[in-house]
Amino acid sequence: QSALSQPASVSGSPGQSITISCTGSSSDVGRFNLVSWYQQHPGKAPKLIIFDVSNRPSGVSNRFSGSKSGNTASLTISGLQAEDEADYYCSSYTASSTVDIFGSGTKVTVL
Amino acid sequence: QVQLQESGPGLVKPSQTLSLTCTVSGGSISSANYYWNWIRQRPGKGLEWIGYIYHTGNTYYNPALKSRLTISIDTSKSQFSLKLGSVTAADTAVYYCARGWSGIHFFDYWGQGTLINVSS
Repeated sequence: QSALSQPASVSGSPGQSITISCTGSSSDVGRFNLVSWYQQHPGKAPKLIIFDVSNRPSGVSNRFSGSKSGNTASLTISGLQAEDEADYYCSSYTASSTVDIFGSGTKVTVL
Repeated sequence: QVQLQESGPGLVKPSQTLSLTCTVSGGSISSANYYWNWIRQRPGKGLEWIGYIYHTGNTYYNPALKSRLTISIDTSKSQFSLKLGSVTAADTAVYYCARGWSGIHFFDYWGQGTLINVSS
């Protein structure tokens, strides 16, 4: 199965808001509200920051928010901070193989 | 606090079988609420889901790896394992184990990852 499509990089200045898109198909993102987002700092394991499209686990900053429209999910980081500089991956369940797939990943740079 | 810890050889020769084990602590591997995943990340690349197993032993595999892959579980030891056969340099990666939520499909706890290098 193909990876979900994400922009390779997104950048913003401290305090700004940025949005990362995650585009799939009618078999995955468009069909299920089972999109999750992960933050990965260099050399570290990924960390869950959003599940079920828009829910935040306990302890995750409310500066992170998620949404979905059609076959595209989005992660918005508001009030961008230096610590937000990391790679971000979306994930979705897919009916095409009854498995989970990841996005291609987006590198966020804080200018 | 749930913890997952991968263990494995570090170096595997081409054409051989890669074997990894994930030990789960702080939570029950036998709970029907969860499924247990292997995920890898090639150097400088993105995450790739490999496969998962339920406490019942039911498995689901990435179609691209299915012919070489076996995932098993030993609930008595609170461990699940991966075997990937006929490895090549393309299988060089950091391998993570992670806990997934059944029916909801997100990964909330991850191991620290273990680097597997396939080289002669």
